[in-house]
Amino acid sequence: QSALTQPRSVSGSLGQSVTISCTGASTDIEDYNYVSWYRQHPGEAPKLIIHDVNKRPSGVPARLSGSRSGNTASLTISGLQGEDEADYYCCAYVARYTYVFGSGTKVTVL
Amino acid sequence: EVQLVQSGAEVKESGESLKISCKGSGYNFTTDWIVWVRQKPGKGLEWMGIIYPGDSDARYGPSFQGQVTISVDTSISTAYLQWSSLKTSDTAIYYCARRRRGGVLAANSWFDPWGQGTLVTVSS
Repeated sequence: QSALTQPRSVSGSLGQSVTISCTGASTDIEDYNYVSWYRQHPGEAPKLIIHDVNKRPSGVPARLSGSRSGNTASLTISGLQGEDEADYYCCAYVARYTYVFGSGTKVTVL
Repeated sequence: EVQLVQSGAEVKESGESLKISCKGSGYNFTTDWIVWVRQKPGKGLEWMGIIYPGDSDARYGPSFQGQVTISVDTSISTAYLQWSSLKTSDTAIYYCARRRRGGVLAANSWFDPWGQGTLVTVSS
Protein backbone atom coordinates (compact mmCIF):
# COMPACT_ATOMS: atom_id res chain seq x y z
CA GLN A 1 0.00 0.00 0.00
CA SER A 2 1.17 3.58 -0.60
CA ALA A 3 2.24 5.89 2.18
CA LEU A 4 -0.31 8.36 3.43
CA THR A 5 0.26 11.79 1.91
CA GLN A 6 1.52 14.62 4.10
CA PRO A 7 2.94 18.01 3.12
CA ARG A 8 6.72 17.85 3.01
CA SER A 9 7.09 20.89 5.26
CA VAL A 10 5.14 23.56 7.11
CA SER A 11 6.39 26.56 9.04
CA GLY A 12 5.09 29.15 11.42
CA SER A 13 6.29 31.84 13.80
CA LEU A 14 6.44 31.43 17.55
CA GLY A 15 2.93 31.55 18.96
CA GLN A 16 1.20 30.90 15.66
CA SER A 17 -0.69 27.76 14.61
CA VAL A 18 0.10 25.23 11.92
CA THR A 19 -1.90 22.31 10.57
CA ILE A 20 -0.55 19.13 9.01
CA SER A 21 -2.80 17.03 6.81
CA CYS A 22 -2.65 13.27 6.28
CA THR A 23 -4.56 11.87 3.33
CA GLY A 24 -4.97 8.34 2.07
CA ALA A 25 -6.85 6.66 -0.75
CA SER A 26 -10.27 5.94 0.69
CA THR A 27 -9.96 2.23 -0.07
CA ASP A 28 -6.53 1.80 1.58
CA ILE A 29 -7.40 2.47 5.16
CA GLU A 30 -9.86 0.43 7.15
CA ASP A 31 -10.95 3.21 9.46
CA TYR A 32 -9.82 6.83 9.55
CA ASN A 33 -11.24 7.17 13.08
CA TYR A 34 -8.09 5.63 14.52
CA VAL A 35 -5.22 7.60 12.95
CA SER A 36 -2.27 8.19 15.28
CA TRP A 37 0.44 10.84 15.13
CA TYR A 38 4.11 10.71 16.10
CA ARG A 39 6.70 13.42 16.64
CA GLN A 40 10.38 12.83 16.03
CA HIS A 41 13.12 15.22 17.06
CA PRO A 42 16.49 14.90 15.28
CA GLY A 43 18.48 11.95 16.55
CA GLU A 44 15.63 10.64 18.68
CA ALA A 45 13.06 7.87 18.39
CA PRO A 46 9.50 8.79 17.39
CA LYS A 47 7.08 9.53 20.18
CA LEU A 48 3.30 9.11 20.24
CA ILE A 49 1.45 12.43 20.49
CA ILE A 50 -2.09 11.64 19.28
CA HIS A 51 -4.13 8.44 18.95
CA ASP A 52 -7.71 7.69 17.92
CA VAL A 53 -7.59 10.85 15.77
CA ASN A 54 -7.80 13.30 18.68
CA LYS A 55 -6.76 11.71 21.98
CA ARG A 56 -3.60 12.86 23.71
CA PRO A 57 -1.47 10.58 25.89
CA SER A 58 -0.59 11.83 29.34
CA GLY A 59 2.01 14.59 29.18
CA VAL A 60 1.19 15.82 25.69
CA PRO A 61 0.06 19.46 25.82
CA ALA A 62 -3.47 20.42 24.81
CA ARG A 63 -2.17 22.77 22.14
CA LEU A 64 -1.57 19.66 20.03
CA SER A 65 -4.89 18.49 18.66
CA GLY A 66 -6.16 16.11 16.01
CA SER A 67 -9.20 15.97 13.78
CA ARG A 68 -10.55 14.09 10.82
CA SER A 69 -12.74 14.74 7.81
CA GLY A 70 -13.44 11.88 5.43
CA ASN A 71 -10.17 10.28 4.40
CA THR A 72 -8.05 13.15 5.72
CA ALA A 73 -6.73 13.39 9.27
CA SER A 74 -5.13 16.60 10.53
CA LEU A 75 -2.80 17.60 13.35
CA THR A 76 -2.93 21.20 14.56
CA ILE A 77 -0.21 22.72 16.71
CA SER A 78 -1.38 25.91 18.38
CA GLY A 79 0.88 28.44 20.07
CA LEU A 80 4.01 27.19 18.33
CA GLN A 81 7.02 26.75 20.56
CA GLY A 82 10.63 25.95 19.79
CA GLU A 83 10.19 22.37 20.98
CA ASP A 84 7.60 21.83 18.24
CA GLU A 85 10.30 21.96 15.58
CA ALA A 86 10.45 18.31 14.55
CA ASP A 87 9.24 15.76 12.01
CA TYR A 88 5.65 14.55 12.30
CA TYR A 89 4.18 11.30 10.98
CA CYS A 90 0.64 10.02 10.82
CA CYS A 91 -0.14 6.31 10.88
CA ALA A 92 -3.24 4.32 9.99
CA TYR A 93 -4.40 0.73 10.17
CA VAL A 94 -4.74 -0.97 6.80
CA ALA A 95 -6.02 -4.50 7.48
CA ARG A 96 -5.02 -7.79 9.12
CA TYR A 97 -2.76 -6.07 11.68
CA THR A 98 -0.77 -4.18 9.04
CA TYR A 99 -0.32 -0.41 9.05
CA VAL A 100 1.04 2.41 6.93
CA PHE A 101 2.83 5.64 7.87
CA GLY A 102 2.48 9.02 6.30
CA SER A 103 5.32 10.49 4.24
CA GLY A 104 6.28 12.83 7.07
CA THR A 105 6.17 16.60 7.60
CA LYS A 106 8.99 18.82 8.82
CA VAL A 107 7.75 21.63 11.04
CA THR A 108 9.97 24.70 11.21
CA VAL A 109 9.48 27.37 13.83
CA LEU A 110 10.48 30.75 12.44
CA GLU B 1 8.05 1.80 33.66
CA VAL B 2 7.31 0.21 30.30
CA GLN B 3 10.46 0.08 28.19
CA LEU B 4 11.75 -1.38 24.97
CA VAL B 5 15.54 -1.62 24.81
CA GLN B 6 17.15 -2.46 21.50
CA SER B 7 20.52 -4.01 20.73
CA GLY B 8 23.48 -1.89 19.72
CA ALA B 9 24.64 -0.57 16.38
CA GLU B 10 25.84 -3.04 13.78
CA VAL B 11 28.30 -2.71 10.90
CA LYS B 12 28.07 -5.49 8.36
CA GLU B 13 29.09 -6.30 4.81
CA SER B 14 26.73 -7.02 1.97
CA GLY B 15 25.65 -10.68 1.96
CA GLU B 16 26.10 -11.21 5.68
CA SER B 17 23.31 -12.24 8.03
CA LEU B 18 22.12 -10.23 11.02
CA LYS B 19 19.67 -10.47 13.90
CA ILE B 20 18.82 -7.44 16.03
CA SER B 21 16.76 -7.48 19.19
CA CYS B 22 14.17 -5.57 21.17
CA LYS B 23 13.70 -6.43 24.86
CA GLY B 24 10.51 -5.44 26.61
CA SER B 25 10.12 -4.79 30.32
CA GLY B 26 7.56 -3.38 32.72
CA TYR B 27 4.53 -5.11 31.19
CA ASN B 28 3.23 -8.53 30.14
CA PHE B 29 5.29 -9.04 26.99
CA THR B 30 3.08 -11.81 25.62
CA THR B 31 -0.14 -9.81 25.33
CA ASP B 32 0.81 -6.89 23.05
CA TRP B 33 2.01 -6.98 19.45
CA ILE B 34 5.51 -5.64 18.71
CA VAL B 35 6.07 -3.66 15.50
CA TRP B 36 9.27 -3.00 13.54
CA VAL B 37 9.83 0.25 11.64
CA ARG B 38 12.62 1.23 9.25
CA GLN B 39 14.03 4.72 8.78
CA LYS B 40 16.63 5.15 6.05
CA PRO B 41 19.10 8.05 6.40
CA GLY B 42 17.27 11.35 6.02
CA LYS B 43 14.01 9.61 5.13
CA GLY B 44 10.63 8.87 6.70
CA LEU B 45 9.25 5.99 8.71
CA GLU B 46 8.37 2.75 6.94
CA TRP B 47 6.16 0.11 8.56
CA MET B 48 7.91 -3.26 8.21
CA GLY B 49 5.98 -5.84 10.15
CA ILE B 50 4.48 -6.93 13.43
CA ILE B 51 4.45 -9.98 15.68
CA TYR B 52 2.20 -11.23 18.45
CA PRO B 53 4.46 -12.73 21.14
CA GLY B 54 1.65 -14.89 22.49
CA ASP B 55 1.69 -17.20 19.46
CA SER B 56 4.47 -15.78 17.21
CA ASP B 57 1.92 -14.75 14.55
CA ALA B 58 3.89 -12.39 12.28
CA ARG B 59 2.60 -10.08 9.53
CA TYR B 60 4.68 -8.13 7.04
CA GLY B 61 4.30 -5.02 4.92
CA PRO B 62 4.28 -5.67 1.15
CA SER B 63 7.80 -4.28 0.67
CA PHE B 64 9.28 -6.43 3.40
CA GLN B 65 7.60 -9.81 2.89
CA GLY B 66 10.34 -12.33 2.16
CA GLN B 67 13.09 -9.77 2.88
CA VAL B 68 13.21 -10.04 6.67
CA THR B 69 12.02 -12.37 9.40
CA ILE B 70 10.41 -11.28 12.63
CA SER B 71 10.50 -13.64 15.58
CA VAL B 72 10.17 -13.63 19.34
CA ASP B 73 11.47 -15.41 22.44
CA THR B 74 8.93 -14.97 25.21
CA SER B 75 11.21 -16.60 27.81
CA ILE B 76 13.38 -13.46 27.68
CA SER B 77 10.69 -10.98 26.53
CA THR B 78 12.58 -10.25 23.33
CA ALA B 79 11.54 -9.69 19.73
CA TYR B 80 13.93 -10.04 16.82
CA LEU B 81 14.35 -8.73 13.30
CA GLN B 82 16.67 -10.71 11.07
CA TRP B 83 18.17 -10.77 7.61
CA SER B 84 19.72 -13.78 5.89
CA SER B 85 21.64 -11.74 3.31
CA LEU B 86 22.04 -8.01 3.88
CA LYS B 87 22.11 -5.46 1.08
CA THR B 88 23.61 -1.97 1.15
CA SER B 89 20.03 -0.68 0.81
CA ASP B 90 19.28 -2.14 4.27
CA THR B 91 21.38 0.62 5.84
CA ALA B 92 18.95 2.35 8.21
CA ILE B 93 17.83 2.84 11.78
CA TYR B 94 15.38 0.17 12.89
CA TYR B 95 12.87 0.84 15.65
CA CYS B 96 10.63 -1.49 17.57
CA ALA B 97 7.49 -0.33 19.35
CA ARG B 98 4.69 -1.81 21.41
CA ARG B 99 1.24 -1.86 19.87
CA ARG B 100 -1.39 -0.62 22.26
CA ARG B 101 -5.08 -1.04 21.68
CA GLY B 102 -8.02 1.05 22.80
CA GLY B 103 -10.90 -1.32 22.14
CA VAL B 104 -12.09 -4.45 20.37
CA LEU B 105 -11.44 -3.16 16.86
CA ALA B 106 -7.95 -3.97 15.55
CA ALA B 107 -7.84 -0.51 13.94
CA ASN B 108 -8.24 1.08 17.39
CA SER B 109 -4.52 0.91 18.11
CA TRP B 110 -1.27 2.86 18.19
CA PHE B 111 2.43 2.40 18.93
CA ASP B 112 3.86 3.36 22.32
CA PRO B 113 6.52 3.27 23.62
CA TRP B 114 9.29 3.00 21.07
CA GLY B 115 12.74 1.53 21.46
CA GLN B 116 15.76 3.78 21.09
CA GLY B 117 16.55 2.41 17.63
CA THR B 118 19.34 0.25 16.20
CA LEU B 119 21.57 1.65 13.47
CA VAL B 120 22.49 -0.96 10.88
CA THR B 121 25.21 -0.02 8.40
CA VAL B 122 25.85 -2.31 5.45
CA SER B 123 28.89 -1.77 3.25
CA SER B 124 29.73 -3.29 -0.07
